[in-house]
Order: sequence, then C-alpha cells, then structure tokens
Amino acid sequence: ELKVEQNPLFLSMQEGKNYTIYCNYSTTSDRLYWYRQDPGKSLESLFVLLSNGAVKQEGRLMASLDTKARLSTLHITAAVHDLSATYFCAVDMDSNYQLIWGAGTKLIIKP
Amino acid sequence: DTEVTQTPKHLVMGMTNKKSLKCEQHMGHRAMYWYKQKAKKPPELMFVYSYEKLSINESVPSRFSPECPNSSLLNLHLHALQPEDSALYLCASSQVGQGAVAVQETQYFGPGTRLLVL
Repeated sequence: ELKVEQNPLFLSMQEGKNYTIYCNYSTTSDRLYWYRQDPGKSLESLFVLLSNGAVKQEGRLMASLDTKARLSTLHITAAVHDLSATYFCAVDMDSNYQLIWGAGTKLIIKP
Repeated sequence: DTEVTQTPKHLVMGMTNKKSLKCEQHMGHRAMYWYKQKAKKPPELMFVYSYEKLSINESVPSRFSPECPNSSLLNLHLHALQPEDSALYLCASSQVGQGAVAVQETQYFGPGTRLLVL
C-alpha cells in the first residue's frame, strides 16, 4: 500500500528565513506533485516531478525528487508572508488516476 | 488556459433536498474527477471519469450520483445527504496518457463548491 508522509505538519517561521518541507513515500512511483492551498480556496498546482534528480524552481520555491530515497523536498528561500498556505505533496499510483496525498503542511510566515 | 469552473460556489441544503454541482473545463482534458475535502485534510477522491466513462468509484454512498454528459462537463447529483457530507467539493481535470495504459497527468482543480447540509 502506497503511503505518503509529510513533515512537518505545521510550520511557523519568520520572513526572510529558509526552510524545507519533506515528503516521503513508501513504494516506487515516477510522478510526484506539489500543490498549494490557501485557506478556504482550491488547490493550485505548483510542480510535477517526473524523474530521479528532477529539480524545479518557481520564485522562492524549489522542489526536488530523489526516487531512490523516495523523498521529495520543497524548499522555501527567504520566505515572504504571501507564501503562507497549506502545501500538499501527492504521488500517483502507476497507471492509475489516483493520487495518494500527504496530510499537508500548514505554513505560516510571520512578517 | 488551465481553468476549471464550478457552480455554485456555496450551497446550503436540507437532508431531503436534491441538488446538483456542476463542473466545466475547456482544456481538452479527457479525465475528470470529483473530490471531497474536509477542513484541514487532504482531498479524498470520489469519482473519476475517463473519456466520459466512469473509471473509478471510491465506494461513495449512492446519495452521490455522478454524471458526465460530454467531455467538458461533469455533474454531481446530490440527494438525501447527511450533515457529515458537509465539505468542500472539488472538481479536477487532467490529460490522459496515450496508449492502452492511462498515465497520470497533472490535475487542475476548480474553485470548489462549499456544501453545508442542515
């Protein structure tokens, strides 16, 4: 059974600091997704990581994938308040439409 | 254009009512999804349609009835709901991989319908 674990589940940090959110998954998968969700809003696709060693960056967010370690990281550089949200990672069930979701990391960035 | 639209944005209904949620996308995606999301939880998959055919039904109670009239539209018919069904209902769509094997592609989510069952 594929399981996805995120940590931390809650993170409060100051603006300007760097931090990393971790996403571990239990079985082989070739695709990992990161989504952002603002309170009361829908899910916004941030990154899709398709292969081992994949790295993608958008602004202050950088995501990477290590398929051998079954680990993805979402790194936040010089955090700003606007990045406050809940971040989910999700892993596909090969050849299936289903995503297995992490529990989400609620990120609060204080001015 | 990566827009998925949903109506209504908010819905309050009694346990004896019948209502429908609607979802539309014009990205040419051939897979469409319904999710239910409770507060502070990840979304839970309810149904998947692929090429307008029901592909996955995650053991959802029969008071939820999906319908895919065409490749751009997805409905969720609601009848005799319970208060515990109150949640954010999200529609999503994605491409479908080529060939015999369906390959997961990025799912794009609509804004959701916030449902309250009294």
